[in-house]
Amino acid sequence: SQKIEQNSEALNIQEGKTATLTCNYTNYSPAYLQWYRQDPGRGPVFLLLIRENEKEKRKERLKVTFDTTLKQSLFHITASQPADSATYLCAPGTGGFKTIFGAGTRLFVKA
Amino acid sequence: EAGVVQSPRYKIIEKKQPVAFWCNPISGHNTLYWYLQNLGQGPELLIRYENEEAVDDSQLPKDRFSAERLKGVDSTLKIQPAELGDSAVYLCASSLSRGHAGELFFGEGSRLTVL
Repeated sequence: SQKIEQNSEALNIQEGKTATLTCNYTNYSPAYLQWYRQDPGRGPVFLLLIRENEKEKRKERLKVTFDTTLKQSLFHITASQPADSATYLCAPGTGGFKTIFGAGTRLFVKA
Repeated sequence: EAGVVQSPRYKIIEKKQPVAFWCNPISGHNTLYWYLQNLGQGPELLIRYENEEAVDDSQLPKDRFSAERLKGVDSTLKIQPAELGDSAVYLCASSLSRGHAGELFFGEGSRLTVL
């Protein structure tokens, strides 16, 4: 069955450093991959989408890579700030608009 | 522009009671989703609508869960009767794209506690 793995342990980093979150998937070939941010008690908020024919995508301090050979996406936040503390969800999607979410990785940025 | 609106935000009920959640998607979004999210987990799809048609309800437990999207706008998700294991957050999302990738816009969710 389709499986998505994100770091289950929380990631703690110091303000100003780069946070790198990993998303691995197995048993399917997504046509695209999305990343969402979720704060406690709130719904997820879309951040970035990368397609299978794209290697990298950037938006302000965010960068996403998509390696279809390794079946992996990396999500980077550069110059991290305490306000970046949240849970980040990886969501690979297939044709027909079927998006499946990972369990998320909790990020804590310390001042 | 108003986002996806859900109500109620919180609901506490006794087991075996019915409960209903309402969702108003972003205007013009033809695709609507209901997701279930347990603590520490990612959202899991229950049902997806394209306009008023349920195009993917394979994960909806049809013995107790039902959903409808009249006139292809607002949607209601019902549980009857509720069980202890139904305690979770029920998220509604909508999107513009049909049949291809597009960002999902989520509501704040309806947190259900079954006692």
